[in-house]
Amino acid sequence: QKEVEQDPGPLSVPEGAIVSLNCTYSNSAFQYFMWYRQYSRKGPELLMYTYSSGNKEDGRFTAQVDKSSKYISLFIRDSQPSDSATYLCAMKNNQGGKLIFGQGTELSVKP
Amino acid sequence: DTGVSQDPRHKITKRGQNVTFRCDPISEHNRLYWYRQTLGQGPEFLTYFQNEAQLEKSRLLSDRFSAERPKGSFSTLEIQRTEQGDSAMYLCASSLVGGAGGSYNEQFFGPGTRLTVL
Repeated sequence: QKEVEQDPGPLSVPEGAIVSLNCTYSNSAFQYFMWYRQYSRKGPELLMYTYSSGNKEDGRFTAQVDKSSKYISLFIRDSQPSDSATYLCAMKNNQGGKLIFGQGTELSVKP
Repeated sequence: DTGVSQDPRHKITKRGQNVTFRCDPISEHNRLYWYRQTLGQGPEFLTYFQNEAQLEKSRLLSDRFSAERPKGSFSTLEIQRTEQGDSAMYLCASSLVGGAGGSYNEQFFGPGTRLTVL
């Protein structure tokens, strides 16, 4: 069993829709939770990070962490075609530096 | 451009050949990470350095793989006797530890080197 599970999709939505992306994890030592966006043939770029449980909002993006359920989510409001990309969740504990990534969810927003 | 750079961007090689990739981190970033990403999967951690010291290696990093960061700046990843299973995107990232972020230090990724082993 992988430490981080993410539905690979693909997910296709119409422009303007609300998108929900999710990951579950098994390691209770994870304290930092990240969402990265990766366009085709590019490196991942950080969208948001959250420390421990709670919500964080940045423009059209909201990240939620529920440590009791070991479940994290990313919501995208008013989705745009430019949001079409692969979204990766990633996690780390307080020690060391390595990130543990989910499989990535491929999102397509149709005009 | 002051981001993480990787060279080459693409490498095609024949099975059994050795290949070497280079990563130049963001200036003054003291940590440098290597990840491998196969098609349809998320990046998998390989190893990381703090300055010139290699602090952690994944069990994915077989004895055919070696990474160095000799002067604490750029890093190289060498794969000896390449196998078809080594075909992947090799991603480098860097971060600054000890700054205002506390235990969190954002990792900035380079564009990757895509390796194809024939």
